[in-house]
Amino acid sequence: GAVVSQHPSRVICKSGTSVKIECRSLDFQATTMFWYRQFPKQSLMLMATSNEGSKATYEQGVEKDKFLINHASLTLSTLTVTSAHPEDSSFYICSARDAVGGSPLHFGNGTRLTVT
Amino acid sequence: GQNIDQPTEMTATEGAIVQINCTYQTSGFNGLFWYQQHAGEAPTFLSYNVLDGLEEKGRFSSFLSRSKGYSYLLLKELQMKDSASYLCAVRTGGGNKLTFGTGTQLKVEL
Repeated sequence: GAVVSQHPSRVICKSGTSVKIECRSLDFQATTMFWYRQFPKQSLMLMATSNEGSKATYEQGVEKDKFLINHASLTLSTLTVTSAHPEDSSFYICSARDAVGGSPLHFGNGTRLTVT
Repeated sequence: GQNIDQPTEMTATEGAIVQINCTYQTSGFNGLFWYQQHAGEAPTFLSYNVLDGLEEKGRFSSFLSRSKGYSYLLLKELQMKDSASYLCAVRTGGGNKLTFGTGTQLKVEL
């Protein structure tokens, strides 16, 4: 079945640095990928929709200059958290769907970001 | 806006049946999904309803009533490993964007 790989699974960084998270569709092409954020004991909140070959679409309240999204190929989307602060510490999850196969959205294993 | 409600927590006994409800108020409804999420892990797909009625898949079943904005996930023959958070998610429009409910934390006890 469709598999989405996310890397790294955990990252700890110092305040002010930038962190890049990769999301790959392993056996299918994804023109669209989605980035979610989940705080402890809360549900997934959609941050942005990553579109291959064009600009990402951000949800209301999400700073596009802080959360940079690049979807340069049909199998890879990256999320860069720029100038990270402790309040950015969260669980970041990407998802994608194999439009050809008609499968539901599949999620990566998530990235636990801790900003110290 | 969109509003999706689920109970926060539920407790059930191993071997029993539990029903997790989800109510929603959205525009452009185009399907409802149920996902299971264990702590610290990504959600895994359980079921999908777009038409009214019951979808059965092994120990898991999901029901949808579009006129009532209501769905439930039914788990039979509960096992300890079923202890997890269950997320109701609604798709709107023609794309694949999902809006998630707050999730229901299910605890299965002996």
